Amino acid sequence: DTGVSQDPRHKITKRGQNVTFRCDPISEHNRLYWYRQTLGQGPEFLTYFQNEAQLEKSRLLSDRFSAERPKGSFSTLEIQRTEQGDSAMYLCASSWAGGYTFGSGTRLTVV
Amino acid sequence: QQPVQSPQAVILREGEDAVINCSSSKALYSVHWYRQKHGEAPVFLMILLKGGEQKGHEKISASFNEKKQQSSLYLTASQLSYSGTYFCGTELGIQGAQKLVFGQGTRLTINP
Repeated sequence: DTGVSQDPRHKITKRGQNVTFRCDPISEHNRLYWYRQTLGQGPEFLTYFQNEAQLEKSRLLSDRFSAERPKGSFSTLEIQRTEQGDSAMYLCASSWAGGYTFGSGTRLTVV
Repeated sequence: QQPVQSPQAVILREGEDAVINCSSSKALYSVHWYRQKHGEAPVFLMILLKGGEQKGHEKISASFNEKKQQSSLYLTASQLSYSGTYFCGTELGIQGAQKLVFGQGTRLTINP
């Protein structure tokens, strides 16, 4: 068990570019979550999967955000046409009907 | 929908006790507690299910008052390693929403 892995750790992108983040959960965990966290705030829910099914997506999330979890294993989060307001730490977490194990996150900076 | 944590920040000397509260305006199915150190990911501490139970983890324990829709985290005889920001995460609804809504956090600083 190597924990939850996220890649990349840091991403700097120009406004308007597309970015994609990857999350590898703990293999036995069937649930996978994406959260966004800005400085001084708690994690904000984005979306979650149970196995390969995306069960909920935050209404705050615009159509520029999309997530996938093919075959119920790793997940990707894509942000299209990035905006400066997208700058944040993107956290992935996995669980098996209990506490969440978070990854170290991907810090996105949009310039 | 976001739970409210209090206090927002607390500063203690090593060995002192602290209580962090988490209140929701919605019915709660469960409450999770996490600790996050600067630049790191949140780390799971404990989960409490509705039923008013109290759980413990070393010198850190928590209670859940279902009627008041509140949870409290108790840190006794605090150690320097307890410093960090504490978040409660609430799972709403009678049967559970399977996702957590986090509070804004309580920053705990322990000084020697």
